[in-house]
Amino acid sequence: EDQVTQSPEALRLQEGESSSLNCSYTVSGLRGLFWYRQDPGKGPEFLFTLYSAGEEKEKERLKATLTKKESFLHITAPKPEDSATYLCAVQTFNDYKLSFGAGTTVTVRA
Amino acid sequence: NAGVTQTPKFRILKIGQSMTLQCTQDMNHNYMYWYRQDPGMGLKLIYYSVGAGITDKGEVPNGYNVSRSTTEDFPLRLELAAPSQTSVYFCASSYSQIMNTEAFFGQGTRLTVV
Repeated sequence: EDQVTQSPEALRLQEGESSSLNCSYTVSGLRGLFWYRQDPGKGPEFLFTLYSAGEEKEKERLKATLTKKESFLHITAPKPEDSATYLCAVQTFNDYKLSFGAGTTVTVRA
Repeated sequence: NAGVTQTPKFRILKIGQSMTLQCTQDMNHNYMYWYRQDPGMGLKLIYYSVGAGITDKGEVPNGYNVSRSTTEDFPLRLELAAPSQTSVYFCASSYSQIMNTEAFFGQGTRLTVV
């Protein structure tokens, strides 16, 4: 069974304090790893898709990286508006369904 | 662009009542999904559809039913509501399972069964 584990569960940062979120996965045949951002009371919003080990993608203060066992979401010099829950999901070649981790809730204080 | 629209946003049901959660998308996506999200848990797939007239079960289908008569609409039916169905429900759609597989989510329906 596909497993996706995110750590830490919660992260409190000071504005400008860079940090990383981890998403470790156990799947057979990874098609893609997805990162989503979810604000309170809203649906998840797509950020990145990574397809192969070594791949990196960036968007503003966020950078996602992928290895064969895990993905990291790096937040560089975060701002309060980066406060959200970040969700990781994997998709395998067996089917198209997304298996989600429980998420990391990031709070950035001014 | 409306994207994925869910109604209602909030609902309180009594045990044993039934209701339909509505979902519509205007992006002409073939794939549509229903997830539930419980505190501290990842989103769990309830049902999915790969096109009009085709639906199938996800991880947690018990107590739910779906239909897909058009590309745009994918309603989720709860029969005989139970407290275990208290959750936030999200509808999502995507263009393809191979390319552009990013899913677009609705704003969610918060359901409480009492």
